[in-house]
Amino acid sequence: DQQVKQNSPSLSVQEGRISILNCDYTNSMFDYFLWYKKYPAEGPTFLISISSIKDKNEDGRFTVFLNKSAKHLSLHIVPSQPGDSAVYFCAATSQVAGAQKLVFGQGTRLTINP
Amino acid sequence: KAGVTQTPRYLIKTRGQQVTLSCSPISGHRSVSWYQQTPGQGLQFLFEYFSETQRNKGNFPGRFSGRQFSNSRSEMNVSTLELGDSALYLCASSRGLSYGYTFGSGTRLTVV
Repeated sequence: DQQVKQNSPSLSVQEGRISILNCDYTNSMFDYFLWYKKYPAEGPTFLISISSIKDKNEDGRFTVFLNKSAKHLSLHIVPSQPGDSAVYFCAATSQVAGAQKLVFGQGTRLTINP
Repeated sequence: KAGVTQTPRYLIKTRGQQVTLSCSPISGHRSVSWYQQTPGQGLQFLFEYFSETQRNKGNFPGRFSGRQFSNSRSEMNVSTLELGDSALYLCASSRGLSYGYTFGSGTRLTVV
């Protein structure tokens, strides 16, 4: 039972264009969402998060959108840069349940082409 | 500012042995979590400790255990190792959910 799903295993985008990574969840108890970036042989790096009381959060080139009714979130990267090539994971948690456990999607490998 | 430090980086063990992995969180972070990453299952939550108390536990057998010391450093132990325990084990620390969890580089465990 995969509660957090990233249906695109890979995505290829041209440098300078927008990258859009998608994530769906099934558990209605999830009320906080995070995006991580992971390079090979390193641990995941926190990028940006959003609480369910918001529908958008921005941090520099990164914007996360949350559609609670559709149980869908997306990460927009504008403009995309070669250093953005990595595996991106979305994660969800429930603050009501204590928020100690992050449930991760399977990841999307983003490749930025020059 | 030092990050989350995990030791050792790589480990090879034989089936049936036990292993202990160590994690030093960022100074001031009292929450430490452990995750297992495998190609088939992705990143899965093992357990989380706060002030030496386990607050949450994932769906792993009792062979997987952990503890946290008074200085917030944490260890996880896997007993009676199985081939399927081969994975990257990641530790993360946090000072609050809105700051995200900061992960270490992990310990790559290979069971032969």
